Amino acid sequence: DIQMTQSPSSLSASVGDRVTITCRASQSISRYLNWYQQKPGKAPKLLIYAASSLQSGVPSRFSGSGSGTDYTLTISSLQPEDFATYFCQQGTSTPLTFGGGTKVEIK
Amino acid sequence: QVQLQQSGPGLVKPSQTLSLTCAISGDSVSSRSAAWNWIRQSPSRGLEWLGRTYYRSKWYNDYAVSVKSRVTIDPDTSKNLFSLQLNSVTPEDAAVYYCARTVTGTFIDSWGQGTLVTVSS
Repeated sequence: DIQMTQSPSSLSASVGDRVTITCRASQSISRYLNWYQQKPGKAPKLLIYAASSLQSGVPSRFSGSGSGTDYTLTISSLQPEDFATYFCQQGTSTPLTFGGGTKVEIK
Repeated sequence: QVQLQQSGPGLVKPSQTLSLTCAISGDSVSSRSAAWNWIRQSPSRGLEWLGRTYYRSKWYNDYAVSVKSRVTIDPDTSKNLFSLQLNSVTPEDAAVYYCARTVTGTFIDSWGQGTLVTVSS
């Protein structure tokens, strides 16, 4: 199975801050890397697929980059509605596997 | 717009079978470009993919090794839904269970609302 390691596990930030979350795969996943946002009591929501493609309806302050084993989710200017938990997921092979999550909290 | 509506009991006794269904609207369970997945989430195990069913001229299933001996995911074409059965549950199977659609097998673009399953006598 491909292991996905996210960092940090949590962070505190202020509205307007630039936030970066990283995800490392245990082997190359050829940009089959997706990012999700989850709020309490809700299902995850797709933000970014294929490492850098923005899902329809997702604000452009969210962006993704990376290749090989290392990937990054960036929120260019954190908004109040962005306080949530973020997960990465590899889609190159089954079992689909997820990172442990990054909780973004208000500073 | 695809919508997935989950149903099933939220309480299951130890050693019994967990059964959930996921009704699909806006797509077909027989779609040749989608796969239909079950995923669970718990504080101890995080997000864990359990398996999927999909149609590509015939039906296929893939299951996670961790549950392979206990799990069945089946389509129901007459009702346009798919189901999860997990046998011989233990307290470790307590989690929020989600049904979900993957497109091209790689990313999850639609999720059910989630079902909190408790395992207790």
